Amino acid sequence: SYELTQLPSVSVSPGQTARITCSGDVLGENYADWYQQKPGQAPELVIYEDSERYPGIPERFSGSTSGNTTTLTISRVLTEDEADYYCLSGDEDNWVFGGGTKLTVL
Amino acid sequence: EVQLVESGGGLVQPGGSLKLSCAASGFTFSGSAMHWVRQASGKGLEWVGRIRSKANSYATAYAASVKGRFTISRDDSKNTAYLQMNSLKTEDTAVYYCTSFTVVTPSGAFDIWGQGTMVTVSS
Repeated sequence: SYELTQLPSVSVSPGQTARITCSGDVLGENYADWYQQKPGQAPELVIYEDSERYPGIPERFSGSTSGNTTTLTISRVLTEDEADYYCLSGDEDNWVFGGGTKLTVL
Repeated sequence: EVQLVESGGGLVQPGGSLKLSCAASGFTFSGSAMHWVRQASGKGLEWVGRIRSKANSYATAYAASVKGRFTISRDDSKNTAYLQMNSLKTEDTAVYYCTSFTVVTPSGAFDIWGQGTMVTVSS
């Protein structure tokens, strides 16, 4: 089965750039998506197909993939960006989420 | 309005069974694969399984942790997907979400989510 690895936490100050990474062998052959989840809410799609921004998501959010690592970059971070972020990838029969990264905006 | 609404959660004893429902509206349910994702309290998201459309033979796939115990089905006439959970274990305690995708995400990224339904397995 696939595994995706994320750091448990990332902290940045407002206005800085946050980079959240996700690594795994499955990323070498399949797209990755990124989801934002705030407390008590369902996840929301932020980035799909490695780098496509979902409609309504601010341009501050971007995604990229190199080899077996995919990265979610949040520029000019706002306090409202504080949330858990999960990567997702897989093939038709097996999907896996990363363990999640808690973004703290200090 | 595009919407998914889960129901059927509750308290069940270890070894018991429970069936969750996911009612869809606002998109072409019959042509869409439906997935289930769960989240234990304070933990991350876990993909549970999916069922594809009739055009794809209603094919199902499951995470190793639930294979052989959980079954996903659908009734396209009712725009509803189901998750039948048998031989439940305490570690199955979680919020269960159904999720799918619209034409915005042709690769199948999950841009539609329900609000979730809580399943508690405890004696």
